[in-house]
Amino acid sequence: QVQLVESGGGLVKPGGSLRLSCAASGLTVSDYYMNWIRQAPGKGLEWVSHISSSSSDTKYADSVKGRFTISRDNAKNSLYLQMNSLRAEDTAVYFCARDGGSGWSLDYWGQGTLVTVSS
Amino acid sequence: EIVLTQSPGTLSLSPGERATLSCRASQSVIRSYLAWYQQKPGQAPRLLIYGASSRATGIPDRFSGSGSGTDFTLTISRLEPEDFAVYYCQQYGGSSYTFGQGTKLEI
Repeated sequence: QVQLVESGGGLVKPGGSLRLSCAASGLTVSDYYMNWIRQAPGKGLEWVSHISSSSSDTKYADSVKGRFTISRDNAKNSLYLQMNSLRAEDTAVYFCARDGGSGWSLDYWGQGTLVTVSS
Repeated sequence: EIVLTQSPGTLSLSPGERATLSCRASQSVIRSYLAWYQQKPGQAPRLLIYGASSRATGIPDRFSGSGSGTDFTLTISRLEPEDFAVYYCQQYGGSSYTFGQGTKLEI
């Protein structure tokens, strides 16, 4: 049974940093493109970043480029998102999701972790 | 960046009726890179359709997808009570994913 469990969210002041984790079971994160997607309160979905199966390819949305870094620990079968220079507009639920290889669609999602950026 | 526009914003229907949701792209989308998701309050999105028309594992056959180019449609043939939710289309292009703004399907 595939499970993705995010953690690390919380309340942080503007300009602060936070590191999100996504622990996977039932799948091997190094075999797939893995993604972070966020959803601001009451809003739609916004793709944030992905990392390729080889870790050689990482991409970011323009809104987070230069501030966020995606990474993976194969030994821990986990995905991470290091978030620096946080802004109020980064407030959202952050989901990790697997791209299962079927037409760049996201077939498994975690339940999300809430990040609130506020003074 | 390709922009996806979904319509209508809200669709009010009753169980047993047919729902037709639209997703229009600002430029042509590779058909195999178009997906649809369902999201209920407090839950993560669930993949319904990939490749514009292929149902994901475990998705009932009342859900179907169609379209090509810039116009795509998600159809729910006979609404069940559990189908009332928000639906998003998503495409991949230019090394990034983009989502539509969502259609809320309400009773």
